[in-house]
Amino acid sequence: KNEVEQSPQNLTAQEGEFITINCSYSVGISALHWLQQHPGGGIVSLFMLSSGKKKHGRLIATINIQEKHSSLHITASHPRDSAVYICVGGATNKLIFGTGTLLAVQP
Amino acid sequence: DTGVSQNPRHKITKRGQNVTFRCDPISEHNRLYWYRQTLGQGPEFLTYFQNEAQLEKSRLLSDRFSAERPKGSFSTLEIQRTEQGDSAMYLCASSPRVRGVRGSYNEQFFGPGTRLTVL
Repeated sequence: KNEVEQSPQNLTAQEGEFITINCSYSVGISALHWLQQHPGGGIVSLFMLSSGKKKHGRLIATINIQEKHSSLHITASHPRDSAVYICVGGATNKLIFGTGTLLAVQP
Repeated sequence: DTGVSQNPRHKITKRGQNVTFRCDPISEHNRLYWYRQTLGQGPEFLTYFQNEAQLEKSRLLSDRFSAERPKGSFSTLEIQRTEQGDSAMYLCASSPRVRGVRGSYNEQFFGPGTRLTVL
């Protein structure tokens, strides 16, 4: 069992839908990171959060430290949101990657 | 500063050859990380530097792999006697200094990666 689990592994949505990707972790972390990776390999940092909620444009990330759970929400999804979304747990000198969620948004 | 850069972007080599990749982090970022990503998988942590000191090495980093960051700026990752299983995307990331905090996880900025193909 991975220390950082994501669900779902694959997600297909229609343009405009509200999307939620979940991340649960079983180890102590100091921060949780959401990354976006497009085909071809480029990785973009979306959020780093250690508590509460952050919002950037149509993206919202939340974390519940007590429940060891984080969610990434995409409002009004668009085909350009299609990518792999990776949850990363950050602990002291250790980085634990989730397996990623492949999102496909269809027009 | 244009972000983290990696060279080369692509490398094709024959099994048994040695390869070296370079990563230039964002200037003044004191932490530098190397990851490996195989097709369909998430990145796997390989090693991490704080300034010139290599502080953490994954079990994935076999004796054929060596990483250096001699002046605390750019880093190199060398793979000796490459094997077909080494074929992957090698990603580098850097993160900024966090004053007064030891070992905290900082936001990482990723380079474009070096795609290695071992024939």
